[in-house]
Amino acid sequence: GAGVSQSPSNKVTEKGKDVELRCDPISGHTALYWYRQRLGQGLEFLIYFQGNSAPDKSGLPSDRFSAERTGESVSTLTIQRTQQEDSAVYLCASSLPSPYEQYFGPGTRLTVT
Amino acid sequence: KQEVTQIPAALSVPEGENLVLNCSFTDSAIYNLQWFRQDPGKGLTSLLLIQSSQREQTSGRLNASLDKSSGRSTLYIAASQPGDSATYLCAVADSNYQLIWGAGTKLIIKP
Repeated sequence: GAGVSQSPSNKVTEKGKDVELRCDPISGHTALYWYRQRLGQGLEFLIYFQGNSAPDKSGLPSDRFSAERTGESVSTLTIQRTQQEDSAVYLCASSLPSPYEQYFGPGTRLTVT
Repeated sequence: KQEVTQIPAALSVPEGENLVLNCSFTDSAIYNLQWFRQDPGKGLTSLLLIQSSQREQTSGRLNASLDKSSGRSTLYIAASQPGDSATYLCAVADSNYQLIWGAGTKLIIKP
């Protein structure tokens, strides 16, 4: 079946602009996660959605970052007033409950100039 | 705070050799542990998941073990092939199902 998809695959934006990144999880997966990977660094957790529960936003680095999810489908990660340090690959994953094995999308490479 | 360490950071071996990648974690209260591979310019591919109650998982030439009490996991790759060249990442899931990641081991298999 179809895996996790993300769009766009690449995004170049000017400092100060807002960007929206999209994630389509695997159908039926109730959990959805966003991670960030800066060049040469490890992955950082950003936010986690599970069903209709309140999302776990503990990994969001600042109030410029927000994310929404429509039911158990599409999620959008929004970064407002982008900064150069936001440049990274943003990865989305989804999973079924137990054992919560996460399947990743190809990522969105964001470059802030 | 959970910390995940992977050793070595890089490894280069001739084709056909068996090899072991190591992962250690500081807090044994994990939900599960996953091994992934990451190819340049591509996303992450899940290789194996070991639940906290399990000791090992096998898939083809890959075998992953988990020793929660000592905070260690190993990924064993048998009869390595050039196509196995990639960065291998270990991640542990906490009680909130968030993955905490190691920095990875960059593996090169020389033909």
